[in-house]
Amino acid sequence: AQKVTQAQTEISVVEKEDVTLDCVYETRDTTYYLFWYKQPPSGELVFLIRRNSFDEQNEISGRYSWNFQKSTSSFNFTITASQVVDSAVYFCALSVFNAGKSTFGDGTTLTVKP
Amino acid sequence: GAVVSQHPSWVICKSGTSVKIECRSLDFQATTMFWYRQFPKQSLMLMATSNEGSKATYEQGVEKDKFLINHASLTLSTLTVTSAHPEDSSFYICSAGGAEVDEQFFGPGTRLTVL
Repeated sequence: AQKVTQAQTEISVVEKEDVTLDCVYETRDTTYYLFWYKQPPSGELVFLIRRNSFDEQNEISGRYSWNFQKSTSSFNFTITASQVVDSAVYFCALSVFNAGKSTFGDGTTLTVKP
Repeated sequence: GAVVSQHPSWVICKSGTSVKIECRSLDFQATTMFWYRQFPKQSLMLMATSNEGSKATYEQGVEKDKFLINHASLTLSTLTVTSAHPEDSSFYICSAGGAEVDEQFFGPGTRLTVL
C-alpha cells in the first residue's frame, strides 16, 4: 500500500516570503510517479509537476522548485517570493507505475497575506 | 494537455433521490477512469476504478450498490449516487488516463449537496 504524508496542515506567510511544502511518501514499489497539485477555492485540481522515481533531478519552473530525495522518500515543493495568488490547498500524490490511480496526501493549506 | 469534463459542475438534490454524474474525456480515449471523493477540508479518496466494457473495481468501504459506475464507451464514465443522503454530500472528481501510460487528467469536479 502507498502512503503520502503532508505534515503541514496550514502555512501562513507574508507576500514575497519563500515557503516550502513538505511531502514524505511510502511505497514498496521501486517504480512510481510523484505529483504536486494546486487546488484553488474553485476546487479544480491544477497539475504542477510529475516526477518519476528514476529521475532525482531537482526541477525549477519560474518561482516553483521541487526537491526529490529518494534517500529520505521526500518530494518537497518550494515557492519563491510567494504571491497572494499562490494561496490554495496543495496536494502531493503518488502513483505506482501502470496503476493509474493516485494516493493523495492530506494537503497543505497555504495562505499568503499581502 | 488533454481535457476531461464533468457534468454537472454542481447539483442539489433531496434526500432519497438518485444523481448521475458524467465524466468525459474530450479529446482522447480512456479505457480507465477513476472516481475520487473529497469531503470539505479533506483529501481526495479513491472510490473506484472504472473500466470500459467491464465492471468497476471499488475500494474497500465503498458501497458498489450505492455508487453505480458505468463506463459504456471510451470517452464516458458515469457515477450514479443512488438514494442519496446528506452524508453523501461531497466533491466528486474523476480522472482519465491519457495516451502515455500513467498520464492522468482530472476533471473539474462535481459538488453534490443532498438536502
